[in-house]
Amino acid sequence: AQSVAQPEDQVNVAEGNPLTVKCTYSVSGNPYLFWYVQYPNRGLQFLLKYITGDNLVKGSYGFEAEFNKSQTSFHLKKPSALVSDSALYFCAVSLEFNAGNNRKLIWGLGTSLAVNP
Amino acid sequence: DAGVIQSPRHEVTEMGQEVTLRCKPISGHDYLFWYRQTMMRGLELLIYFNNNVPIDDSGMPEDRFSAKMPNASFSTLKIQPSEPRDSAVYFCASGFQRPGNTIYFGEGSWLTVV
Repeated sequence: AQSVAQPEDQVNVAEGNPLTVKCTYSVSGNPYLFWYVQYPNRGLQFLLKYITGDNLVKGSYGFEAEFNKSQTSFHLKKPSALVSDSALYFCAVSLEFNAGNNRKLIWGLGTSLAVNP
Repeated sequence: DAGVIQSPRHEVTEMGQEVTLRCKPISGHDYLFWYRQTMMRGLELLIYFNNNVPIDDSGMPEDRFSAKMPNASFSTLKIQPSEPRDSAVYFCASGFQRPGNTIYFGEGSWLTVV
């Protein structure tokens, strides 16, 4: 079965330090991988995605993620965290080829990031 | 584009009442998704449409829930009768057909059933 795991419910980091939010996946076939961020009382906002090509993907607000096929991971990173990065982060995966017009995304449960001043 | 537009943003209703949530997708998008988010269950896909046709409603929790998409620019999610356990945030999202394309979320409808 296809799945996405975000092994940490919460990540705490000091402002100015690098941050990593982890995501691993299990799919059969080539994955398309996504990161979304949800600020309090807001909808999910797209951050970045991996489709093909360079394994290092750069996205909004200085975030980046590295696709690692051998480790089936797509960890989200930022070199220097800001207090304003505090939010809920979701990883999601879809397949390159799906039967019919299946467009489901498989979602992780989310990781709450707290950046402390 | 204004993005995905949902209404109402907040609704408080009494148990047993009918609730209708509305969504206007981004113009041109041919997929529309309804999600529910709760602390206990996280983000759940309820139903999605392709070109206004429901493709998969296996996530709809029970017969009290129904969704329609009468045209490309409007969809509704209806709960009748509502129950306290339906209290959640309901998100609408839209996107294009190709699997690698991004889907975009609305700001959500915060529903409280008392």
